[in-house]
Amino acid sequence: EDKVVQSPLSLVVHEGDTVTLNCSYEVTNFRSLLWYKQEKKAPTFLFMLTSSGIEKKSGRLSSILDKKELFSILNITATQTGDSAVYLCAVASGYGQNFVFGPGTRLSVLP
Amino acid sequence: EPEVTQTPSHQVTQMGQEVILRCVPISNHLYFYWYRQILGQKVEFLVSFYNNEISEKSEIFDDQFSVERPDGSNFTLKIRSTKLEDSAMYFCASRQGYSNQPQHFGDGTRLSIL
Repeated sequence: EDKVVQSPLSLVVHEGDTVTLNCSYEVTNFRSLLWYKQEKKAPTFLFMLTSSGIEKKSGRLSSILDKKELFSILNITATQTGDSAVYLCAVASGYGQNFVFGPGTRLSVLP
Repeated sequence: EPEVTQTPSHQVTQMGQEVILRCVPISNHLYFYWYRQILGQKVEFLVSFYNNEISEKSEIFDDQFSVERPDGSNFTLKIRSTKLEDSAMYFCASRQGYSNQPQHFGDGTRLSIL
C-alpha cells in the first residue's frame, strides 16, 4: 500500500526562525511529489518535484527531493505569521491518477 | 488566474438523503478529481475522471458514490443515502493533463450530515 509520512506533525516557532518540514514516501512507480499549503480551505500548490537533487525555490520557500532515500524537505526561512498553515505532501504514483497525501505538518508561527 | 470553483460552500443534509456536490474545473484542464477530508484527518483520494469516464477510484468510492460531467463545464459528485460518517470537506481538483502539471484545488464543500 502506498504511504506518505510527514514529520513533525506539529511545529511552533517564532517569527524569523527557519523551519524544515519532512516528507518520506513508499509508493510504487513514483512519478512526482508535490507540496501544498492549506490554510482555511483549499490546498494551494507550492512545488512539484520529479528529479532528485534539483532545488525548487519560491521566495523564502525551497524544496528538494531525494529519490534514492525516498524523501523530500520543505524549507521556510525567516518565517512570518502568514506562513502559519498545514503543509501537505502528496505523491503521484503508479499508472493511475491517484495522489496520496500525507497527514500534513501544522506550522504555527508566533509573533 | 483561473480557479476551480465549488458549490455550495456548505451543505447540511439529513441522513439518508442524496446530495450533489458541484465543481467547475479550470476550463482547459482534462483530469478531474474528488477528495475528502474528514475534520482533523488527512486528505483522502476518492476518484479521478478523464475522457468522460472514471480512471481510478479508491476503496472509499463505493456504490454510494457516483461522478458525472453532465456538460462541458460541470463535474459533480453524487452521494446517495448519506450517512453520518460522510460528513467531511469535499475538495474538487483539476489538472491540465501533462504529467508535470500539478492539481489545482477548489475551496471545498463542507458537508454536514445530521
